[in-house]
Amino acid sequence: AQSVTQLDSHVSVSEGTPVLLRCNYSSSYSPSLFWYVQHPNKGLQLLLKYTSAATLVKGINGFEAEFKKSETSFHLTKPSAHMSDAAEYFCVVRVSGTYKYIFGTGTRLKVLA
Amino acid sequence: NAGVTQTPKFRVLKTGQSMTLLCAQDMNHEYMYWYRQDPGMGLRLIHYSVGEGTTAKGEVPDGYNVSRLKKQNFLLGLESAAPSQTSVYFCASSDPGVETQYFGPGTRLLVL
Repeated sequence: AQSVTQLDSHVSVSEGTPVLLRCNYSSSYSPSLFWYVQHPNKGLQLLLKYTSAATLVKGINGFEAEFKKSETSFHLTKPSAHMSDAAEYFCVVRVSGTYKYIFGTGTRLKVLA
Repeated sequence: NAGVTQTPKFRVLKTGQSMTLLCAQDMNHEYMYWYRQDPGMGLRLIHYSVGEGTTAKGEVPDGYNVSRLKKQNFLLGLESAAPSQTSVYFCASSDPGVETQYFGPGTRLLVL
């Protein structure tokens, strides 16, 4: 069965420093993977998605993620954090053969001035 | 376009009461979903629909029912609310092959 594990429940970075949010997946098939962002008291918004094309995926607001099959990872990165990046981030995998999605437990990103 | 809207935004229920949450989307999407979000647990799928008149169970369907009588609407019902159903409920919609879910702003439900 597919699943995703977000390795950190909370991450704090200083403004202007790199962001790394870690996600490992479990899947017997080539997975479809996603990162969503949720700002406080808001709905979720898609940041980026991997659907078996290029392994380095660029998303909105300067975020990118790299699909590494050998490591079963799909970590989210950004070179320089901005205060507006403070939010909760979810790694998501689609259940193969369906249009159901499994969400990770989330990583709350705090950006310090 | 309003995107995905949810009604109501906030509700307080007493144990045993019933209510219906309404989700509406104006993007003509085929697929619609209901999730619940609880602290530390991410989003969990309650029910989903792949087209008008069809529904299916997700991970946590017990205590909920759904209906999709019109393509643009997806209703989530609680027949007899329990404190364990206190949560934030999100609706989402998407289209086949596009793989982007569009989320509503959420409904915060408190069951006393």
